[in-house]
Amino acid sequence: QSALTQPASVSGSPGQSITISCTGTSNDLGSYNLVSWYQQHPGKAPKVLIYEVSERPSGISNRFSGSKSGNTASLTISGLQAEDEADYYCCSYAGRSNWMFGGGTKLTVL
Amino acid sequence: QIQLVQSGAEVKKPGASVKVSCKASGYTFINYGIAWVRQAPGQGLEWMGWISSYNHYAHYARKFQGRVTLTTDTSTSTAYMEVESLRSDDTALYYCARNYTNYIDFWGQGTLVTVSS
Repeated sequence: QSALTQPASVSGSPGQSITISCTGTSNDLGSYNLVSWYQQHPGKAPKVLIYEVSERPSGISNRFSGSKSGNTASLTISGLQAEDEADYYCCSYAGRSNWMFGGGTKLTVL
Repeated sequence: QIQLVQSGAEVKKPGASVKVSCKASGYTFINYGIAWVRQAPGQGLEWMGWISSYNHYAHYARKFQGRVTLTTDTSTSTAYMEVESLRSDDTALYYCARNYTNYIDFWGQGTLVTVSS
């Protein structure tokens, strides 16, 4: 199984909104509403931002939102802040007890 | 508070095995599975497998089947991951993480495994 496809990098200015895409296939991401998104700062463990496509765990800012259409999921960060600069990973259930991550996207806040 | 505390860094020679531990606290261990995820230097996250802390059922990513073994000890709330026949490309930071239904909600601090002759 190949990793889900994410753009290697995205950038935006403070206050702007950005969207990170995560593309799979009809056999994995497209078949299940079990997409989660993780934020990872350098030298730190990942932290969940979104689960089940669009749900936010308690304590996560509503600046983070998720959606899915067909075989592509998206993470949108609105009102960009300097502390949002990090790596972002999507993760999807792929059937038969398998899970897979995307390759990761580096977000730069200009 | 919920914590997953992993064992310390390891340096191994090619062909050797390594066993990483992950001690859970702050929650009822058998109620949640443990996933293992690795991250090679400068690379992305890679899902390795998952084990039920309740019935010890383990599932492995196809890439790791036959070379990775996941176990749990409910008496000590500890999960273990053993990797055999280590290669240089197994050099990575290995994370254990708590499976909360359909996502990971808590992560260990990571254990660096370096494979070098």
